[in-house]
Amino acid sequence: GAVVSQHPSRVICKSGTSVKIECRSLDFQATTMFWYRQFPKQSLMLMATSNEGSKATYEQGVEKDKFLINHASLTLSTLTVTSAHPEDSSFYICSVVDIGLSYEQYFGPGTRLTVT
Amino acid sequence: AQKVTQAQTEISVVEKEDVTLDCVYETRDTTYYLFWYKQPPSGELVFLIRRNSFDEQNEISGRYSWNFQKSTSSFNFTITASQVVDSAVYFCAFSLETDKLIFGTGTRLQVFP
Repeated sequence: GAVVSQHPSRVICKSGTSVKIECRSLDFQATTMFWYRQFPKQSLMLMATSNEGSKATYEQGVEKDKFLINHASLTLSTLTVTSAHPEDSSFYICSVVDIGLSYEQYFGPGTRLTVT
Repeated sequence: AQKVTQAQTEISVVEKEDVTLDCVYETRDTTYYLFWYKQPPSGELVFLIRRNSFDEQNEISGRYSWNFQKSTSSFNFTITASQVVDSAVYFCAFSLETDKLIFGTGTRLQVFP
């Protein structure tokens, strides 16, 4: 079964509004989760590393005030796209690392965001 | 800094042909991991393989096989007797143990009947 879930799987919002995307680790506790973004026909690029109980670490060029990450528990990380614009339309994918056993990195099914 | 290069942007083959997807990586680290993922049109990433830097043995899983050569910093992926269902984008990726994944640009494989 799925190890990581994301909600919603698809969302359409109007420009200027905020959208929250949830990433849940279903099988194990995850102190670290990663958020990636994939523009159409492009590769996945890491946006930020979400750390449970502390601030997220953002990659260069990613605005932390625009992409708010909250990792409030060992099984849930949320990414909020604030004041979304059409250029934020993308496929957002989270992943979790099972550091307790296999060090495998499991990906969620992704969330397709369209900003109109 | 680490880097992953997938020089083949798109490959088209006819069913039953063998196809090799190339992956070349750059790193100065001695301990690292290499991955291959499949991304079908649905978008979900499908894990195919993870290989650590100390294990250069080639691996075969059904119609899939991987050739890891540290001497050339390559981790190539071969699909034998390709099928239409193999059509997808394939990503090679690199990581340091529990760290983030660095992805290549992907190779779009189209298998025609």
